[in-house]
Amino acid sequence: EVQLVETGGGLVQPGRSLKLSCVASGFTFNNYWMSWTRQAPGKGLEWVASITNSGGSTYYPDSVKGRFTISRDNAQNTLYLQMNSLRSEDTATYYCTRDGHTMGMDYWGQGVMVTVSS
Amino acid sequence: DIQMTQSPSSMSVSLGDTVTITCRASQDVGIYVNWFQQKPGKSPRRMIYRATNLADGVPSRFSGSRSGSDYSLTISSLESEDVADYHCLQYDEYPRTFGGGTKLELK
Repeated sequence: EVQLVETGGGLVQPGRSLKLSCVASGFTFNNYWMSWTRQAPGKGLEWVASITNSGGSTYYPDSVKGRFTISRDNAQNTLYLQMNSLRSEDTATYYCTRDGHTMGMDYWGQGVMVTVSS
Repeated sequence: DIQMTQSPSSMSVSLGDTVTITCRASQDVGIYVNWFQQKPGKSPRRMIYRATNLADGVPSRFSGSRSGSDYSLTISSLESEDVADYHCLQYDEYPRTFGGGTKLELK
């Protein structure tokens, strides 16, 4: 059974940093691209970052480019999201997702809440 | 960036209804569209991949279709468990973009 378990969320002040982790199980982690997607309270979904299976390439929307860094440790089956210079508009539930090749985002974690507030 | 314009943003429905939600892509995304169902406090669940393919375990009353740049999710004979939010996603190119979401509410 595919499982994605996110940790690392919490309350953080504007301008500070936070690092999210996602531990994957139930599939061969290093065969899949992975992503982070977020959802602000009461709002829609927003893609945040993606990384290739080897970790050699990464992709970001303009809203987080230069502030967020996606990375992975294939030996530990773990995906990361380093978030720097956090802003109030980064407040959201962050989901780890598996990219099922041509099948899109096929599995989602339970999500972790990040609140940016002073 | 590709815009996915989703409509309607909300819909009042009755059990047994046939419901159709549509996303219009601002550029060609081919077949690379997902549909997700999301219930309150839960993670999204993939319902459709490659625009028309039913994901594993999804009831056959759900279907996906494409007409040009319009992608639709149809729910036939709506059941109570289908009342949820629905989102489309294009994954043809980066940045990945979602539609604004559709909230189904019972009349």
